[in-house]
Amino acid sequence: GDSVTQMEGPVTLSEEAFLTINCTYTATGYPSLFWYVQYPGEGLQLLLKATKADDKGSNKGFEATYRKETTSFHLEKGSVQVSDSAVYFCALSDRGDYKLSFGAGTTVTVRA
Amino acid sequence: DTAVSQTPKYLVTQMGNDKSIKCEQNLGHDTMYWYKQDSKKFLKIMFSYNNKELIINETVPNRFSPKSPDKAHLNLHINSLELGDSAVYFCASSQGIRASGGTEQFFGPGTRLTVL
Repeated sequence: GDSVTQMEGPVTLSEEAFLTINCTYTATGYPSLFWYVQYPGEGLQLLLKATKADDKGSNKGFEATYRKETTSFHLEKGSVQVSDSAVYFCALSDRGDYKLSFGAGTTVTVRA
Repeated sequence: DTAVSQTPKYLVTQMGNDKSIKCEQNLGHDTMYWYKQDSKKFLKIMFSYNNKELIINETVPNRFSPKSPDKAHLNLHINSLELGDSAVYFCASSQGIRASGGTEQFFGPGTRLTVL
């Protein structure tokens, strides 16, 4: 079945540091890939997505590239801010499938 | 302008009670979901309805019963609550399956259920 493996946290960084969260996936078909973010006390928000190989999703300074050859969708941001402190979830949805399969989530804390 | 709303936001109750959580979306989507997030933040799908028809029913105790009176609403009723039911429950919605593949889901703010 489909699955997502995400880098374990927690991750603690200083402001303006570089952030990478690794995500790899297993899927039987041609999945779409997503990064969702959950700020403290809130629901999940879509951060970015990619629907086919070599697509790059980007939003709010975050980027992730769909790499079919390595089955990866790593999230990166060049300079984090305190407001980026949140839990980040990698997820996939296989073509023709309604449900999202989530990774375990990575808690990121950015210190001033 | 809330897209996906849930009530209540917090629910504290005793073991053995029956409770309901309500979800409404105003996005015009045809598919709605319930997810459970445990204390370690792990998210797992429970149910999904498409056009009021149940399409996903994961391994969930039959004490949990979803009900979709119309496309904009999906409620979750839980009978005989147990300690292990304590979690955050998220409702989500999406517009079917995109031609390009995959589904993009919009989430509600969550309902934190605490069973004492």
